[in-house]
Amino acid sequence: EAQVTQNPRYLITVTGKKLTVTCSQNMNHEYMSWYRQDPGLGLRQIYYSMNVEVTDKGDVPEGYKVSRKEKRNFPLILESPSPNQTSLYFCASSPLAGGPIRETQYFGPGTRLLVL
Amino acid sequence: GDSVTQMEGPVTLSEEAFLTINCTYTATGYPSLFWYVQYPGEGLQLLLKATKADDKGSNKGFEATYRKETTSFHLEKGSVQVSDSAVYFCALSVTGNQFYFGTGTSLTVIP
Repeated sequence: EAQVTQNPRYLITVTGKKLTVTCSQNMNHEYMSWYRQDPGLGLRQIYYSMNVEVTDKGDVPEGYKVSRKEKRNFPLILESPSPNQTSLYFCASSPLAGGPIRETQYFGPGTRLLVL
Repeated sequence: GDSVTQMEGPVTLSEEAFLTINCTYTATGYPSLFWYVQYPGEGLQLLLKATKADDKGSNKGFEATYRKETTSFHLEKGSVQVSDSAVYFCALSVTGNQFYFGTGTSLTVIP
């Protein structure tokens, strides 16, 4: 089954304790992206990646890191989480075929993070 | 910068009522426009899209027309069902890499 998976689905942590949220897709998509969803703010893009070793900042990259060492994986790293990073996080992927096809994103189920 | 302004909710409708969710945008170039739907506890799914002015996207009885003159992409459905209860997001992308979403509109359809 074609899908985007995220782990963990729920996470409670404390301020300053480094954490990684994993994202994996089995559709051989070149493009992957991370978003955070907050009430009243909708989804905001954190980082995106066009392919292996190619990443770029979205609208709200502060406090986050990403890496793209393999095509299927795109982990989101919070080196020193703070309470304002409490949010619902979504990973998404898309084929980079050019044109409208590339812009149809497939979303993972989300990771709910609470930073105390 | 690029942005999307979406009608605030929540919206509550009776089954078979007509639905309109307003969406207007600001873009520096020529964006593609999207409507995504999020069912409870799930990720977003693409509902429909339009890539150029006057295009109409449609899916599952939902429609939206890309109006460049009014910078709008309003979502409509003629007769909603209980199963349409979800959160709807309008979104745009100019580059195909960076995406901008609205704040979401929660729809509840009551029998």
